[in-house]
Amino acid sequence: ETGVTQTPRHLVMGMTNKKSLKCEQHLGHNAMYWYKQSAKKPLELMFVYSLEERVENNSVPSRFSPECPNSSHLFLHLHTLQPEDSALYLCASSQDSSPSGRLVDTQYFGPGTRLTVL
Amino acid sequence: GQNIDQPTEMTATEGAIVQINCTYQTSGFNGLFWYQQHAGEAPTFLSYNVLDGLEEKGRFSSFLSRSKGYSYLLLKELQMKDSASYLCAVRDSNYQLIWGAGTKLIIKP
Repeated sequence: ETGVTQTPRHLVMGMTNKKSLKCEQHLGHNAMYWYKQSAKKPLELMFVYSLEERVENNSVPSRFSPECPNSSHLFLHLHTLQPEDSALYLCASSQDSSPSGRLVDTQYFGPGTRLTVL
Repeated sequence: GQNIDQPTEMTATEGAIVQINCTYQTSGFNGLFWYQQHAGEAPTFLSYNVLDGLEEKGRFSSFLSRSKGYSYLLLKELQMKDSASYLCAVRDSNYQLIWGAGTKLIIKP
């Protein structure tokens, strides 16, 4: 496998279900991101992990819970979602090479998980 | 507030040239990115501009004018496979990426 992979590619779940999205990067990067992409809207940054520590949480509802066990893997745990949470969930990674620790480098994306909440 | 504007949809003919514009109002500027995203696929990195001027990469070129808050992506010798959405993103003074909603490009034979 190369690049950034995501599983599953498609997921349909009820509002009471619990599921998890998985992302794996094979690029040797040290930062990982979760984005939400809704039709005709800009990408919404949800969470950022740098060196396995969460550095950003953009006012995301608690029904979304991220986990980063190591620099290659990122999970998004889902529970009691709402129909408006239906979207494409994209994972990305980058190599933070700046001395300031700022995430300045190009982000590389996975193909996404198409989530439908019934 | 911060804002990135790009046309929602454009149509062009195979073999022709198309220019996709992006204007931005952000708190500071630390670079502008263009990504290509085919339907159901990952956004893929196309170009990065941080200084004014034109960056050429094969059939694709990207231009930046920081004083005007403006960029464009120029696609030459259009091919059917260029049908995709093109996303513009600006890194602001806090190194946050601000994204446009994307331009859907339709190529007709």
